[in-house]
Amino acid sequence: QQQVRQSPQSLTVWEGETAILNCSYEDSTFDYFPWYRLFPGESPALLIAIRPVSNKKEDGRFTIFFNKREKKLSLHITDSQPGDSATYFCAASGAGNTRKLIFGLGTTLQVQP
Amino acid sequence: EAAVTQSPRNKVAVTGGKVTLSCNQTNNHNNMYWYRQDTGHGLRLIHYSYGAGSTEKGDIPDGYKASRPSQENFSLILELATPSQTSVYFCASGDVQGADTQYFGPGTRLLVL
Repeated sequence: QQQVRQSPQSLTVWEGETAILNCSYEDSTFDYFPWYRLFPGESPALLIAIRPVSNKKEDGRFTIFFNKREKKLSLHITDSQPGDSATYFCAASGAGNTRKLIFGLGTTLQVQP
Repeated sequence: EAAVTQSPRNKVAVTGGKVTLSCNQTNNHNNMYWYRQDTGHGLRLIHYSYGAGSTEKGDIPDGYKASRPSQENFSLILELATPSQTSVYFCASGDVQGADTQYFGPGTRLLVL
């Protein structure tokens, strides 16, 4: 059973639009939710992250909206640019020394100029 | 200067052969991880380690072994490689004190014929 689910699997938007990537999770003990971005041929890199004490985290054009009650979060990319085209992974981790991250299957975003 | 390096970057192996993927990190992180990334499957955790001398099974450990001889080095071993292990393998390091961020290496593309 997938503990972290992402939708849609793929998304195409026009340059300048807002892309919305969705994520949901099962385990209510998860306490850290990072989003990683993967460009083709490169390695995953942390984009932005949130903890449940907040319901919103903003970093430039990237914003996470978090709903703890519904166990859902979303990543909004405003003013999307062709350079944002990549695969975005939502992840979650909980208590424990090893800080394992559980990744979703990813959303592949294509921004058309 | 890259803090997580992997070698080799590309590898072609034959079915039944032994393959060793190496990872080195200069972040002085306690935790290290091996993932494989396949389209449609996201990032899946194979093995991880929380310090020199320790290895733990991740979500898909079958067919893989791991070795952590030092703080800096973490190897993934395929004793009898199979075509189903053709994938991109990422190593990562992380630390609890580092706010759970994991830092990924550049990846190894493995093709098993």
